[in-house]
Parts: sequence; structure tokens; C-alpha cells
Amino acid sequence: QKEVEQDPGPLSVPEGAIVSLNCTYSNSAFQYFMWYRQYSRKGPELLMYTYSSGNKEDGRFTAQVDKSSKYISLFIRDSQPSDSATYLCAMSDNDMRFGAGTRLTVKP
Amino acid sequence: NAGVTQTPKFQVLKTGQSMTLQCAQDMNHNSMYWYRQDPGMGLRLIYYSASEGTTDKGEVPNGYNVSRLNKREFSLRLESAAPSQTSVYFCASSEWRAVRTEAFFGQGTRLTVV
Repeated sequence: QKEVEQDPGPLSVPEGAIVSLNCTYSNSAFQYFMWYRQYSRKGPELLMYTYSSGNKEDGRFTAQVDKSSKYISLFIRDSQPSDSATYLCAMSDNDMRFGAGTRLTVKP
Repeated sequence: NAGVTQTPKFQVLKTGQSMTLQCAQDMNHNSMYWYRQDPGMGLRLIYYSASEGTTDKGEVPNGYNVSRLNKREFSLRLESAAPSQTSVYFCASSEWRAVRTEAFFGQGTRLTVV
């Protein structure tokens, strides 16, 4: 079993839809939870960062962490074509572990 | 600011050839990392350097060596390339190894071993 599981998609939604991206993990020592966005042929860039459980909101993006269920989510409201990218969850205690990434396409 | 710069961007090698991937960062970061990215596998850590003068193995170090040349530069060497090393390689840096700080990634090197 992988430490971090993420559905690779692909996921295709119409512009304006609410997008839900999810990861599960097995290592209860993880304390830091991150979402990276990776555009085609580019390196990943940090999108959201959360410590321990709870919610964090940044504009149209909301990150949720449920440590009791070992489950994290990223919600994108009012999705835009510019949100089309691969989204990677990452989590860590000392070393970072990445999910496989979910490829998202937002169609105009 | 260039951030993290990797060279080359693309490379094709024959099985058994060697090559070095170069990485430089201009953010005065202490920690640097090499990852490989394969379809369905996500990013996997090959080696890291927590600070200048130190290097340590990550998840998938076999077949690779690294050198932390100075605070700015961290190179990855394939001594005898194998088709299983066909991948996209990313260099990253962060202020410290502690993951409370953001990791910044380069644009990647697409390596094909035939």
C-alpha cells in the first residue's frame, strides 16, 4: 500500500463548477499537508499549506484536513480554464511524500 | 530572480552512458532535493542535501549519485543509465529541510534512456 493515495483522474468539468480533489494516507505521523499545482511541462508550485487538522481558505481554494480519517481535500469554487493543471497532494513529518497527482481540465 | 534552474531540459541517452544533471538555486536556500516523476507514481525523492556539505538517500537512490558543490548547486549523476531511469527529473530547494517551509521546483529535465 502506498503511503499517499490519490486518484489520478483525469477529471474534466465545465467552467464554473465546484471541483473536489482528494487524497488518503496511511502514516499517522504526517503533520503538514500541502497541495501543489503543476502546469504541463512545468515544475510543481505550492498552492495551499495546512498544519494538522482543519480548514484553510485562499480565494477560490479551500483545503481540508481530517486526520482522524487520514483524508485531505482541495475544493476549487467557480473553476476557470486557467485552473487546468495536475494537482498533487503532499504530506510530511520530516520527509515529504507526494500523491500521484490528479489531472484536471476545466472546459470553457 | 531565476529561482531553481535545471540543465539540460531534455536528454536522450543510450543504455550504459553516463550524464550529470545540473541544478542551481539563487534563493540562498539551505536544502536541496532531487525527485523523479513517473506516470501514476507521483514525485519520488532520490537524494537530498539538508545543508551544504551533507547528502542523504531518499526513497529511490539506486543508480544515482549526487554532489552538493556549494550552497547554490546540487548535481545528480547517472553513472550507467538504464531504461528504467527514463523519467522527468526535478530539482527543488527549500529554506531548511523542515517541511514547514515551501519547496521551490525547477522546470524539470526530461530524460529518455534507449
